[in-house]
Amino acid sequence: AQSVTQLGSHVSVSEGALVLLRCNYSSSVPPYLFWYVQYPNQGLQLLLKYTTGATLVKGINGFEAEFKKSETSFHLTKPSAHMSDAAEYFCAVDTGGFKTIFGAGTRLFVKA
Amino acid sequence: GAVVSQHPSRVICKSGTSVKIECRSLDFQATTMFWYRQFPKQSLMLMATSNEGSKATYEQGVEKDKFLINHASLTLSTLTVTSAHPEDSSFYICSGTGPGAVSSYNEQFFGPGTRLTVL
Repeated sequence: AQSVTQLGSHVSVSEGALVLLRCNYSSSVPPYLFWYVQYPNQGLQLLLKYTTGATLVKGINGFEAEFKKSETSFHLTKPSAHMSDAAEYFCAVDTGGFKTIFGAGTRLFVKA
Repeated sequence: GAVVSQHPSRVICKSGTSVKIECRSLDFQATTMFWYRQFPKQSLMLMATSNEGSKATYEQGVEKDKFLINHASLTLSTLTVTSAHPEDSSFYICSGTGPGAVSSYNEQFFGPGTRLTVL
């Protein structure tokens, strides 16, 4: 069975600091991996995705993530946090069955 | 491109009444639409998957008679919460995918969500 684990339900960083949100997945087949962002009372917006090819994926708003098969990880990073990055972030895995499994989410707080 | 809208964005209803939520793909044909439920401070839980012209496939534990899903066209799916009760209060999010969406395989496009409050 596929699963997604996001380490840390809350992450707090200072403005300008590195953002690191952790995601580990479990899948018996090569996965498609996604990171989504959700602002309060809104739907999900795709930040980036890994399907095949280059393992370092760049997304919108300066975010990137690296697919590490050996570690079954897909951590999300951003070199310098902005106040506007404060939101809920979801890692998700899809193994090709059009069924996406979401992690529990990590709320990112950015301190001025 | 690949925009999904939901209507209404917020709805408050009395216990025992039914509520219909619409999900529309505005610039692509959504051959498959998904309905999710999100409780406060929790992740999205898939309720059902619907393919245009077919009956929806419900996830285990989701009452199909309570959450009626219709996907009658390639751009519209509806979720009707029948005989709503306070425990049905939640944030409902739809998503769609299909040919013509500007995406690679398996990317879903999400609506903005509908906040349902049952009094």
